[in-house]
Amino acid sequence: EDQVTQSPEALRLQEGESSSLNCSYTVSGLRGLFWYRQDPGKGPEFLFTLYSAGEEKEKERLKATLTKKESFLHITAPKPEDSATYLCAVLPYFGNEKLTFGTGTRLTIIP
Amino acid sequence: DAGITQSPRHKVTETGTPVTLRCHQTENHRYMYWYRQDPGHGLRLIHYSYGVKDTDKGEVSDGYSVSRSKTEDFLLTLESATSSQTSVYFCAISGGDTGELFFGEGSRLTVL
Repeated sequence: EDQVTQSPEALRLQEGESSSLNCSYTVSGLRGLFWYRQDPGKGPEFLFTLYSAGEEKEKERLKATLTKKESFLHITAPKPEDSATYLCAVLPYFGNEKLTFGTGTRLTIIP
Repeated sequence: DAGITQSPRHKVTETGTPVTLRCHQTENHRYMYWYRQDPGHGLRLIHYSYGVKDTDKGEVSDGYSVSRSKTEDFLLTLESATSSQTSVYFCAISGGDTGELFFGEGSRLTVL
């Protein structure tokens, strides 16, 4: 069974204080690992897809990296508008296009 | 933004009543999904569809049924709502080639 574990559950940072969110996964052959951002009362918004170990993707202050067992979402010099819940999900090669999600990390950036 | 519309956005109902949530897409994507999101559980797949009239169960399908008679519409039905089905329901779509899902804004259902 595919599993995704995200840590920490919640993280509070001062504005400008860089940090990383972790996503550990177990999957029977990884086809893709996805990061989403979710604001309160909204649906998840797609951020990145990573396909193979060593791959990195960047968008503004966010950088996602991937190893064979985990992914990190690095946040550099965050701003209050980066406050959100960040979700990680995996898609296996065999599973009929069904993603498995982690429970997310709730990030709060304090001005 | 992906063209996904969920309706209703909010609904309060009583135990034992039937409820239908609708998801409408304008992207002509093949795959459509219904998830529920609850504190401590994250997003859990209820049912999904891989084409018109083609559907399959997810991990929390008990008490739910779905139908897809047109590419653009995917309906989720609770035949007899229970309090444990109080949740936020999200519809998602995917073209299937890259695996990325695009989500609707959610439907908040409260079962009293």
